[in-house]
Amino acid sequence: DIQMTQSPSSLSASVGDRVTITCRASQSISSYLNWYQQKPGKAPKLLIYAASSLQSGVPSRFSGSGSGTDFTLTISSLQPEDFATYYCQQSYSTPSFGPGTKVDIK
Amino acid sequence: QVQLQESGPGLVKPSQTLSLTCTVSGGSISSGSYYWSWIRQPAGKGLEWIGRIYTSGSTNYNPSLKSRVTISVDTSKNQFSLKLSSVTAADTAVYYCAREEREWLVPFFDYWGQGTLVTVSS
Repeated sequence: DIQMTQSPSSLSASVGDRVTITCRASQSISSYLNWYQQKPGKAPKLLIYAASSLQSGVPSRFSGSGSGTDFTLTISSLQPEDFATYYCQQSYSTPSFGPGTKVDIK
Repeated sequence: QVQLQESGPGLVKPSQTLSLTCTVSGGSISSGSYYWSWIRQPAGKGLEWIGRIYTSGSTNYNPSLKSRVTISVDTSKNQFSLKLSSVTAADTAVYYCAREEREWLVPFFDYWGQGTLVTVSS
């Protein structure tokens, strides 16, 4: 099984801040890495697929990078609607998700 | 616009079988090269992939649940279903169905149902 870790587990930020979330895989997964946003009581929403491709309709302030074992999700200028929990997910083998990073208001 | 909707009992007794159905609208479940997955999330916890099915009937399951899971598809009804046997309180979770797309060979979940809470309790 491929284990996914994320850091930090939570962070507090202000509107307009640049936010970076890190995801690490227990073995190389090439670019088989996706990012999701989840708000309370809602289903996850796809933001980034294949490590760096922006899903249609997702604002360009979201970006992803990385390959192999280390990946990052960056929000260039945090907006009020971005306060949520973010999950990475590997699709290299049996799909698995990271534990999530909760972004809340400072 | 593709939409997915989960349905099924919200309460299941321990040792019994959990059964859920996902109805797909806005497109045929048989069109395209999509897989159809079930994913669950216990309250306040992370996401766990349960398994997937292709419209040919081919399935893949999470090894941690494989002995208890069956996923099937009914293309005539545009539905796919989940059965999880011998449930315990640890199976209490919100269950999501999702469509799995592939681009550049990388699979990802692009459409999700709203989720349905299943509680295992006597």
